[in-house]
Amino acid sequence: NAGVTQTPKFQVLKTGQSMTLQCAQDMNHEYMSWYRQDPGMGLRLIHYSVGAGITDQGEVPNGYNVSRSTTEDFPLRLLSAAPSQTSVYFCASSYRSGTGGNTIYFGEGSWLTVV
Amino acid sequence: GENVGLHLPTLSVQEGDNSIINCAYSNSASDYFIWYKQESGKGPQFIIDIRSNMDKRQGQRVTVLLNKTVKHLSLQIAATQPGDSAVYFCAENDGGATNKLIFGTGTLLAVQP
Repeated sequence: NAGVTQTPKFQVLKTGQSMTLQCAQDMNHEYMSWYRQDPGMGLRLIHYSVGAGITDQGEVPNGYNVSRSTTEDFPLRLLSAAPSQTSVYFCASSYRSGTGGNTIYFGEGSWLTVV
Repeated sequence: GENVGLHLPTLSVQEGDNSIINCAYSNSASDYFIWYKQESGKGPQFIIDIRSNMDKRQGQRVTVLLNKTVKHLSLQIAATQPGDSAVYFCAENDGGATNKLIFGTGTLLAVQP
């Protein structure tokens, strides 16, 4: 019963490097999203997807790309890492969008440090 | 812009007491609200939710109250236990096509044994 799985758990990057945070869910959820959480703050939406092949921007999309080629996977790409992207990243999924009230499940988080 | 915020950043209670965590929201169009618990080093965990057509909902040891008149949400935890120590977030979902959640900044609940 994996739920939402994120990898890696921890990562240190140098400024300018690129990397991909992986997210997979095994619940056949249509809706997936990425959030970042900074110290003393709530979660802010980066990108989201309402189904395979469909993605859209959230509140803080700059510097990140996403794709949704399958229902299960929703990777988040940092194109050229900056210190401002040091944060904890959470992937989330829910059964469907458009109706509201669907419980959103979160992964365990990926701690990213950009030096 | 619209946002969700919390009145109290920290709350310290004695084990066995009841806890009340408050949240203010400003988007009158929001129709669904959720409380999440986040333990150190983990992702947010769903606790309880409530729709805007309700003013109270109860779960196991938890109750959520919604006052739409003053745009206020609260989470009540009965007989607080050390395992309840965590950061609690309220979040609002406007029920639109994006299913986006807007989170408050969180309240740290510290349970003293």
